[in-house]
Amino acid sequence: EAGVAQSPRYKIIEKRQSVAFWCNPISGHATLYWYQQILGQGPKLLIQFQNNGVVDDSQLPKDRFSAERLKGVDSTLKIQPAKLEDSAVYLCASSHEAGTGETQYFGPGTRLLVL
Amino acid sequence: GDSVTQMEGPVTLSEEAFLTINCTYTATGYPSLFWYVQYPGEGLQLLLKATKADDKGSNKGFEATYRKETTSFHLEKGSVQVSDSAVYFCALSGARSNDYKLSFGAGTTVTVRA
Repeated sequence: EAGVAQSPRYKIIEKRQSVAFWCNPISGHATLYWYQQILGQGPKLLIQFQNNGVVDDSQLPKDRFSAERLKGVDSTLKIQPAKLEDSAVYLCASSHEAGTGETQYFGPGTRLLVL
Repeated sequence: GDSVTQMEGPVTLSEEAFLTINCTYTATGYPSLFWYVQYPGEGLQLLLKATKADDKGSNKGFEATYRKETTSFHLEKGSVQVSDSAVYFCALSGARSNDYKLSFGAGTTVTVRA
């Protein structure tokens, strides 16, 4: 079974530029998550999708971050404009369903450096 | 809100030593508890989990028991190997209905020397 795919793996941009990350979850997984992991910290949820609907985006900085999940499969996370503090690893995860005890499967992440 | 506190690292051990990483949680409901591991150059992967009080999760020689009375989920392994060198994250989810995001601790870096 193929795992969660993410691209690009690395990205370097200057502040105020825009950037987009792509995620393809495990086939058949209804729930998709985007997490932000700042160096030295644990991942923090940005947004959760159930199929193509948003379940939780309470911690997404909506003035600069946006995300969509077209057709309930692939997802894109965008930052516009980027700030220095957005430097982090952006992790995509998926699970079969949303439920307590459900295992979330993580992709390799996209490492973003904002200069 | 829900949170996880885990032992700060880094932790350095010799091969065959006993490993314990402490994890305690704060939650208003009845969460599921997880240990995720990140090996060098790899993504996060589930190590073990427990979904209710007194459950024991185990995998690859690692164990953790869900202790509701002490709100803890400490990770243990009796004899570590060099290949266990990684960053270990304690996490919880599902403390409240319809809230299934993972809340992670800060991670503990473990290095095992030959």
